[in-house]
Amino acid sequence: AQTVTQSQPEMSVQEAETVTLSCTYDTSESDYYLFWYKQPPSRQMILVIRQEAYKQQNATENRFSVNFQKAAKSFSLKISDSQLGDAAMYFCAYRNDDKIIFGKGTRLHILP
Amino acid sequence: DAGITQSPRHKVTETGTPVTLRCHQTENHRYMYWYRQDPGHGLRLIHYSYGVKDTDKGEVSDGYSVSRSKTEDFLLTLESATSSQTSVYFCASREEYSGNTIYFGEGSWLTVV
Repeated sequence: AQTVTQSQPEMSVQEAETVTLSCTYDTSESDYYLFWYKQPPSRQMILVIRQEAYKQQNATENRFSVNFQKAAKSFSLKISDSQLGDAAMYFCAYRNDDKIIFGKGTRLHILP
Repeated sequence: DAGITQSPRHKVTETGTPVTLRCHQTENHRYMYWYRQDPGHGLRLIHYSYGVKDTDKGEVSDGYSVSRSKTEDFLLTLESATSSQTSVYFCASREEYSGNTIYFGEGSWLTVV
């Protein structure tokens, strides 16, 4: 069965600094998708970034980028120039075929 | 954003009573999902559907059943609610082919007393 592991329950970063959230996953599949979702206190689930496993190039979305290491089954999220609005719970997710599996989340605090 | 709504948004119920949560989407998405979110556990998959009348179990399906009689509706039923089922429940849906984006409902807060 596929699993997603986020080893950092909480992290803190100074405003304007860079932070990296870790995610590893376990799968025997070769074709799949990976996602990072942000959940602010409102509980809304907001897509931050996604990566197709067949693409070698790391995805980027403005201040957000990923380091996708397929062989190592690692999918970390880098947030540059951290802002107060980035404070939230961040979930890593894996999808292939039908199921979508989430990690337990990392709560990110932004220090002013 | 996709039109996906959950009802009720908040509910308090007594132990032993049946409860049904409804997820409704207007995007004609083939796939729909029910998750529960609890502190320290993230989002855990309860059941999912890959088409009308086609459903399968997720990782925490005990005590839950689902039905999908129409593309737009995916119902989650707690057959006999227990306090351990107090949680926030999220519905999600996605398209079949592009499939990259998963759309979420706003969540349903369920308290079992």
